[in-house]
Amino acid sequence: DTEVTQTPKHLVMGMTNKKSLKCEQHMGHRAMYWYKQKAKKPPELMFVYSYEKLSINESVPSRFSPECPNSSLLNLHLHALQPEDSALYLCASSQMTGISYNEQFFGPGTRLTVL
Amino acid sequence: KNEVEQSPQNLTAQEGEFITINCSYSVGISALHWLQQHPGGGIVSLFMLSSGKKKHGRLIATINIQEKHSSLHITASHPRDSAVYICAVSGEYGNKLVFGAGTILRVKS
Repeated sequence: DTEVTQTPKHLVMGMTNKKSLKCEQHMGHRAMYWYKQKAKKPPELMFVYSYEKLSINESVPSRFSPECPNSSLLNLHLHALQPEDSALYLCASSQMTGISYNEQFFGPGTRLTVL
Repeated sequence: KNEVEQSPQNLTAQEGEFITINCSYSVGISALHWLQQHPGGGIVSLFMLSSGKKKHGRLIATINIQEKHSSLHITASHPRDSAVYICAVSGEYGNKLVFGAGTILRVKS
């Protein structure tokens, strides 16, 4: 299995809803990432997990809450989002060699719309 | 000035043409990445390189560390190559990618 999967593909939610995005990989990668991508812009890094521990939080608002239950799974919990949070949310994973990170493999993304 | 600059921003080519996309960076890096993104889609990693040249099918990537410059070449371009091509660099440990703005490529048949 050489892919990163993300569910759901599309999500529409209201500003008072709570929802979760899911990302899974079975390549044995020990680093996993969340990115946010607005239209016609490059991705912006949100979070990095290394060996199931949060290693980078790019000052993301607390309405986004990441979770890494095990080395294959990464969740992003969403609560009280704003319409400007509407974007494509991409997950990625990479192998690690010691403390160095290798090539990233990206999932297809979840298209989120906040009403 | 952005840390990663790509040129051109937009490129239209005729099927069969040889295409070059350039990337310059201003920071120290451990590796440079070329990524491809089709409209509405996820991102595919094409190359990760820290020196020299890599080739995969019709795609060739080169990097000149001294000049802090990389190029992505597509030989015998095809309409299915139409996509956004993104250059990104990773720092000392490689855990953070700094992205260029992307090059929108359209190949006409």
